Amino acid sequence: EVQLVESGGGLVQPGRSLRLSCAASGFTFDDYAMHWVRQAPGKGLEWVSGISWNSGSIGYADSVKGRFTISRDNAKNSLYLQMNSLRAEDTALYYCAKSVGISIEQQPFDYWGQGTLVTVSS
Amino acid sequence: SYVLTQPPSVSVAPGQTARITCGGNNIGSKSVHWYQQKPGQAPVLVVYDDSDRPSGIPERFSGSNSGNTATLTISRVEAGDEADYYCQVWDSSSDPWVFGGGTKLTVL
Repeated sequence: EVQLVESGGGLVQPGRSLRLSCAASGFTFDDYAMHWVRQAPGKGLEWVSGISWNSGSIGYADSVKGRFTISRDNAKNSLYLQMNSLRAEDTALYYCAKSVGISIEQQPFDYWGQGTLVTVSS
Repeated sequence: SYVLTQPPSVSVAPGQTARITCGGNNIGSKSVHWYQQKPGQAPVLVVYDDSDRPSGIPERFSGSNSGNTATLTISRVEAGDEADYYCQVWDSSSDPWVFGGGTKLTVL
């Protein structure tokens, strides 16, 4: 059974940093691209970042480019999101999602975690 | 960046057919994916590549895509289909993965 379990969320002040993690199990992690998608309270889905199976291709939404860094450790079956210079508008539930293939392009997301909540507030 | 437009809400009686649209410039040239999100739950992929269904998704869910509009069709709607539905495309631009704003399906 595919499982994606996010952790690392919490309350953080504006301008500070936070690192999210996603522990994957039930599939061969290094065979698939992975993504982070967020959802602000009461709002829709927003793609944040994606990373290919071997970290060779990485993409970011304009809203987080230069502040967030995605990475993965295939040996640990884990995905990460380093979030720096956090803003109030980064407040959201952050989902880890698995792609159906190795590329961050074109291919949909077939499994999602339950999310970890990030609240940016003073 | 590319924009996807969905109606905020769609209402349908049980047993009827629900159609949820997703508008975008020449969206027919792109592959559209659809997700269902029930309250308090993570999204679930229900249709991918315009009209394919993942395993475990009922045949009642189908999709089409042409011109400037993609459509998710849910036949014989059930109370359990009540959820938010999001369309998604890949666009080779600054924000490559784009979601529509979501449509709340209400089963009357």
